[in-house]
Amino acid sequence: QKEVEQDPGPLSVPEGAIVSLNCTYSNSAFQYFMWYRQYSRKGPELLMYTYSSGNKEDGRFTAQVDKSSKYISLFIRDSQPSDSATYLCAMSVLEYGNKLVFGAGTILRVKS
Amino acid sequence: DAMVIQNPRYQVTQFGKPVTLSCSQTLNHNVMYWYQQKSSQAPKLLFHYYDKDFNNEADTPDNFQSRRPNTSFCFLDIRSPGLGDAAMYLCATSRSGLDYEQYFGPGTRLTVT
Repeated sequence: QKEVEQDPGPLSVPEGAIVSLNCTYSNSAFQYFMWYRQYSRKGPELLMYTYSSGNKEDGRFTAQVDKSSKYISLFIRDSQPSDSATYLCAMSVLEYGNKLVFGAGTILRVKS
Repeated sequence: DAMVIQNPRYQVTQFGKPVTLSCSQTLNHNVMYWYQQKSSQAPKLLFHYYDKDFNNEADTPDNFQSRRPNTSFCFLDIRSPGLGDAAMYLCATSRSGLDYEQYFGPGTRLTVT
């Protein structure tokens, strides 16, 4: 079993739709949860970060962490064609600093 | 703009022919990382440097080596590339070992013929 599981998609939605991206994990020691966005032929860039459980909102993006279920989500409201990218979840254990364990990424396509 | 730069962006090498990928950063970050990302797979950490201290992941093959001659530069050496080493190689940096945010370069896509 992989430490972090992520549905690879592709996920195709019309412009303006609400998008839900998800990851599950097996290591209960994970404390830092991140979402990276990776455009084609570019490196990943940090989009959202959450420590432990709870929600975090930043503009059209909301990150949720449910540690009891070992499940994290990223919601994108009013999706735009410019949101088309691969979204990677990543997690780390505090005591190991920031050695990130990534999911395989979900390809998102927002159609105009 | 401060950034992480990787050269070359595309590298073709022959089976068994040593190859070196380079990474430089203008962020003055202490930590530098090398990840391997195969198609449709998660980036996999190969090793990282905390300043000059080298940290190898337990499952990183011996075929992969790294050098960090100074704060700004880090190199990935693949001594005898196999077909299975074809991948995107990502370099990343972070300010410290306790900083959750990593800054990635654009990657080098390695093809092995």
